[in-house]
Amino acid sequence: EIVLTQSPATLSLSPGERATLSCRASQSLGSYLAWYQQKPGQAPRLLIYDSSNRATGIPARFSGSGSGTDFTLTISRLEPEDFAVYYCQQRGDWPLTFGGGTKVEIK
Amino acid sequence: QVQLQESGPGLVKPSQTLSLTCTLSGDSINSGDYYWSWIRQSPGKGLEWIGYIHYSGSTYYRPSLKSRLTISQDTSKNQFSLTLNSVTAADTAVYFCARGQSGLSSTWPPGLWFGPWGQGTLVTVSS
Repeated sequence: EIVLTQSPATLSLSPGERATLSCRASQSLGSYLAWYQQKPGQAPRLLIYDSSNRATGIPARFSGSGSGTDFTLTISRLEPEDFAVYYCQQRGDWPLTFGGGTKVEIK
Repeated sequence: QVQLQESGPGLVKPSQTLSLTCTLSGDSINSGDYYWSWIRQSPGKGLEWIGYIHYSGSTYYRPSLKSRLTISQDTSKNQFSLTLNSVTAADTAVYFCARGQSGLSSTWPPGLWFGPWGQGTLVTVSS
């Protein structure tokens, strides 16, 4: 099973700042990595699929990059609604797995 | 746009059967090449993919759950369902249904990303 390790566990930033989240895979995934945002009491929402493709309706301040084992989600300027937990998920091999999450909190 | 809604009991006794249904609105379960999926989330295990049913009726399950799991669909009701037998406390989680999609893939069946998701339903296994 592919293990996804997300870092940092918590990111404390102010609105308007840039957020950089990391996801590292235990095996090469090619570009088969997705990112999700989850707010308390809500379901995860798809942000990015296949490393860099924004899902429908996702603002341009969210961008993804990376390939192989190292991936990054960047939020260019944090808006108040962006403070949440972010998960990565791989579809490079079965079973599909998720990372443990990075919480982006208000500093 | 499609919306998904889970329904089912919130409390199940150990060794009994957990049954959940996901109802689609805004689109048909047969509308495209989608993989209708179940995913659960617990404090101990995080997010865990459970299995899917393809619109064609084919299924694919998490190996560790395969012996206890059945996913089925009722196209006339625009629903798909999960049945998990012989539950234990380890099956306590928030259960989500979601639409899975795949582009190019290096695996068979193809790997998936998920969106949209239902709001989730908490299932507690306890006597």
